[in-house]
Amino acid sequence: DQQVKQNSPSLSVQEGRISILNCDYTNSMFDYFLWYKKYPAEGPTFLISISSIKDKNEDGRFTVFLNKSAKHLSLHIVPSQPGDSAVYFCAASAPWLGNEKLTFGTGTRLTIIP
Amino acid sequence: GAVVSQHPSWVICKSGTSVKIECRSLDFQATTMFWYRQFPKQSLMLMATSNEGSKATYEQGVEKDKFLINHASLTLSTLTVTSAHPEDSSFYICSARGTSGSLNIQYFGAGTRLSVL
Repeated sequence: DQQVKQNSPSLSVQEGRISILNCDYTNSMFDYFLWYKKYPAEGPTFLISISSIKDKNEDGRFTVFLNKSAKHLSLHIVPSQPGDSAVYFCAASAPWLGNEKLTFGTGTRLTIIP
Repeated sequence: GAVVSQHPSWVICKSGTSVKIECRSLDFQATTMFWYRQFPKQSLMLMATSNEGSKATYEQGVEKDKFLINHASLTLSTLTVTSAHPEDSSFYICSARGTSGSLNIQYFGAGTRLSVL
C-alpha cells in the first residue's frame, strides 16, 4: 500500500526553465510534508517542507504547493540548473499524532538539460 | 544545516558475520534517530525508530534480532546487522531528528552500502 506516490519516475527539463515535480498521498492523517534531494550513493538532503496549515512555502528557487483537498503537493524549481539533476523524494508524516516517521514516495529522477 | 555522519560508507563482509553501522549527529543532539533501507530503484523504507535510552521501535516485518539498534547517547545510534546473508545486501541510511526554526526535520547520513558475499 503506497501511501505516498510520485507517478513520474523521471523528468527532463531544459536549463533555465521551471521544473515541476508532483506527489500524491492517500492518508488524510498526514499533515507535514517534505521534499528531499538525493544523489546516487548519498543520503537525502532536505530541501523544503510545508505544514498542512499552509498552501505554499517558498525558499529561494524552490516553492512547494499543497492542495489538501486533492491530497496533492508539488515542488517547483525555477530557474532549473544543471546541479539540480538528482532524484527527488517527497515524504509525509503525521507529527500531531506523535508519529514523526516519514513515509517516502518512490522518487522522481530529474535531469536538467544544459 | 545539521550534519549527520554515517560510518562506514561501504562494507563488504562474508556471509554469517555481523556488521555494525554508526550514525552520529555532529552538531546537535538527537533524541530520536531513524534507520532506513533502500533497495535499487526503490524508495526508502523505514526499518526502525531509535530513541535515546530506550528500546527501538521496529516496523512491521523487520526482525529486531537481526537488526540490533542501540541509541546509547544523544549523538550516536548504531545498527548491527547480525549473521548477515546476501539478501541483507542493501543501502542503509540513518537520519536524526533536528530542528530548523520551529520545524522538526530529519537530517540524513550519507548512507552505508552493505555487500554480503
